Amino acid sequence: DAKTTQPDSMESTEGETVHLPCSHATISGNEYIYWYRQVPLQGPEYVTHGLQQNTTNSMAFLAIASDRKSSTLILPHVSLRDAAVYHCILRVGTGSKLSFGKGAKLTVSP
Amino acid sequence: GGIITQTPKFLIGQEGQKLTLKCQQNFNHDTMYWYRQDSGKGLRLIYYSITENDLQKGDLSEGYDASREKKSSFSLTVTSAQKNEMAVFLCASRTGGNTLYFGEGSRLIVV
Repeated sequence: DAKTTQPDSMESTEGETVHLPCSHATISGNEYIYWYRQVPLQGPEYVTHGLQQNTTNSMAFLAIASDRKSSTLILPHVSLRDAAVYHCILRVGTGSKLSFGKGAKLTVSP
Repeated sequence: GGIITQTPKFLIGQEGQKLTLKCQQNFNHDTMYWYRQDSGKGLRLIYYSITENDLQKGDLSEGYDASREKKSSFSLTVTSAQKNEMAVFLCASRTGGNTLYFGEGSRLIVV
């Protein structure tokens, strides 16, 4: 299965723009990059996804490297509500099996 | 919008007991998943099902059974609960576009 690598944790301050990196060096051409976030006592929540082009929505901007071996989730002007564990995952081939790693814990200070 | 409902939110059982967790979704999604999350760790896939009556093993299926008798529901059974199995169990369903929607989780406590 293709795997992703993220830092264990990152720290930020309210109002900052946060860049969360994800490495996926063995990604296949037909695999999408998905980001989810998870706050304590809740299941993960969809944030965004992309294949090749950068994408943006109300929650975040996803920057995908031209070789697709890495991506960065950009959270503009973070608030305390953005503190969560952020999971970067890949769709595995064309099957239905989706696996999650440990994710990166984002801490936001006032 | 739809919702995924997991019951019970807390399940307390004794060592060796057979325990069942239930999950219902009203999205009309075909594929459903059961994940286990241990404290401070990532999600590990136990079972998934791509349609009614289908079952596929994940990375952590040993010690668990699953059942998908209806499209809207997916049950997970811990066949013999052990104290090292105390964790949060998360159910999810998936759109055709691969976006997962998760329930709030069921916490298993083994005494």
